[in-house]
Amino acid sequence: QKEVEQDPGPLSVPEGAIVSLNCTYSNSAFQYFMWYRQYSRKGPELLMYTYSSGNKEDGRFTAQVDKSSKYISLFIRDSQPSDSATYLCAMVIQGAQKLVFGQGTRLTINP
Amino acid sequence: AAGVIQSPRHLIKEKRETATLKCYPIPRHDTVYWYQQGPGQDPQFLISFYEKMQSDKGSIPDRFSAQQFSDYHSELNMSSLELGDSALYFCASSHAGQGEKTQYFGPGTRLLVL
Repeated sequence: QKEVEQDPGPLSVPEGAIVSLNCTYSNSAFQYFMWYRQYSRKGPELLMYTYSSGNKEDGRFTAQVDKSSKYISLFIRDSQPSDSATYLCAMVIQGAQKLVFGQGTRLTINP
Repeated sequence: AAGVIQSPRHLIKEKRETATLKCYPIPRHDTVYWYQQGPGQDPQFLISFYEKMQSDKGSIPDRFSAQQFSDYHSELNMSSLELGDSALYFCASSHAGQGEKTQYFGPGTRLLVL
């Protein structure tokens, strides 16, 4: 079983919809939680990182962490066709170097 | 803003050949990380360096080695290449003050082993 589980999708929604992307994890030592966006044939782009349980908002993006349930989410409001990409959750143990990624969810926003 | 630079962007090698991938971190970033991403897979951590010293090691084959130089650029050396080494290789960098949670990725080197 992978340390970080993420539904690979694909997920297809109409433009303007609210998108919810989720990951679960098994290692309670994870301290930081990141969301990356990866366009085809490009490197992952850091969107947000969070540390504690709760919500963190950045523009149309909201990251949510529930450490008690070992569950994290990324919400995208007013989704745009340019949001179409693969979204990867990633986690790291404080003091460690390696990011542990989920499988990535392929998202398509239809105009 | 300046980003992580990787070269070459594409590389084709034959089995048992060697390859060298280069990574130039974002200016003032002192930590470099290497990841391997197979087709349809998530990135897998290989190795990282801070101030020219290896700081963490993941699932890097013994055939691979890496180092970080005084100008903070890094090179990943791959020998006795196998078909299974075909993948995207990403370098990421961060500043120690921000730590491992803010790793910025380069565009990757696509390696094809024939």
